[in-house]
Amino acid sequence: DAGITQSPRHKVTETGTPVTLRCHQTENHRYMYWYRQDPGHGLRLIHYSYGVKDTDKGEVSDGYSVSRSKTEDFLLTLESATSSQTSVYFCATLAGGTDTQYFGPGTRLTVL
Amino acid sequence: GQQLNQSPQSMFIQEGEDVSMNCTSSSIFNTWLWYKQDPGEGPVLLIALYKAGELTSNGRLTAQFGITRKDSFLNISASIPSDVGIYFCAGQYGGGSNYKLTFGKGTLLTVNP
Repeated sequence: DAGITQSPRHKVTETGTPVTLRCHQTENHRYMYWYRQDPGHGLRLIHYSYGVKDTDKGEVSDGYSVSRSKTEDFLLTLESATSSQTSVYFCATLAGGTDTQYFGPGTRLTVL
Repeated sequence: GQQLNQSPQSMFIQEGEDVSMNCTSSSIFNTWLWYKQDPGEGPVLLIALYKAGELTSNGRLTAQFGITRKDSFLNISASIPSDVGIYFCAGQYGGGSNYKLTFGKGTLLTVNP
């Protein structure tokens, strides 16, 4: 257990509305990640952070932005949600000194 | 980018049977990880492998890091109903600020009691 919580756990929103998902960790891990999981695609990296204010894009970053103003929080924002962004979103952190990522419980987002 | 092929996509077995699944890559990885995901939950780490040729066990689970660094397998012995779930392999190849994982698409395991 890497002390990762995600909020909200479930959200239904309408196309065109902004949405922010929050990931909070208590282990002081430097690296944090946002993934989306869709049937047939597995887990795909959206954005990641390697320190406060240091972020980089993953393989499916279009339509998403992130922010990390403090070590424990990593926010994922959909500026204008689309139906293609309906998915389950997972946050993960990287345990220091290893290559092992630990995952949060996920947020199920539905965009109508 | 890195590609991971995980097989089989799904398995339906009887309780007590052994299970084997594997992942192959087009490129070399530095680390192989195996995760299990239960419905409605996030993936949970089962085994981490850090050296080519490494063979590691965790209870009834055994995983190996292939000598070529392009493949890994996971075996589950004497399966039980709670082994049901999706199993993912993941490989890490980066360094510096580039600690990123590439995931296989998962193996769905169903165990018939």
